[in-house]
Amino acid sequence: ETGVTQTPRHLVMGMTNKKSLKCEQHLGHNAMYWYKQSAKKPLELMFVYSLEERVENNSVPSRFSPECPNSSHLFLHLHTLQPEDSALYLCASSQELGRGTEAFFGQGTRLTVV
Amino acid sequence: ELKVEQNPLFLSMQEGKNYTIYCNYSTTSDRLYWYRQDPGKSLESLFVLLSNGAVKQEGRLMASLDTKARLSTLHITAAVHDLSATYFCAVALKLTQGGSEKLVFGKGTKLTVNP
Repeated sequence: ETGVTQTPRHLVMGMTNKKSLKCEQHLGHNAMYWYKQSAKKPLELMFVYSLEERVENNSVPSRFSPECPNSSHLFLHLHTLQPEDSALYLCASSQELGRGTEAFFGQGTRLTVV
Repeated sequence: ELKVEQNPLFLSMQEGKNYTIYCNYSTTSDRLYWYRQDPGKSLESLFVLLSNGAVKQEGRLMASLDTKARLSTLHITAAVHDLSATYFCAVALKLTQGGSEKLVFGKGTKLTVNP
């Protein structure tokens, strides 16, 4: 248990559906991240939020829309996804990465797009 | 663009043997992280290496960092089956906006320890 909780753990959705992934941390961290992990590529950073402000959008398609309403919660809204978007989506949080800090990861959401 | 390369990507070894996993990175960074991931599970932090020459050990795993060579190693001593997992190294990189940073990961090394 890392203190970062993701829901749902598994999600199957059609290409026309709209769904949201949720991430929650109560570690007092001020930065949150979305990563995508697929079989064909290494862990890819998607978005970074620092103090609830998006500071990085790693060329992610607009069908992925992040939201960070407060420092403890992070969402990833999904719509009109493609089958190649099927992957494990990992949320992480940290204090601003600095000397001695580290990122803690949630269990991930296994997404399948059909 | 920062590139992080791990090798080998797949490693099958016998219990009791020693081996080293290598992590090379392409631009300057003074912090490197090692994570472990079991199938279907999250990433678990193993080591945070903060400076050149840093060495940390936990059980049968020892990690080191050479920032001049841009190289980190994860050494496995007398492997046991429980060490079977995928191991990732990650390098901290400053973002262009503000003072935030991100982690750039290697592809991971899938380790299988056979009885």
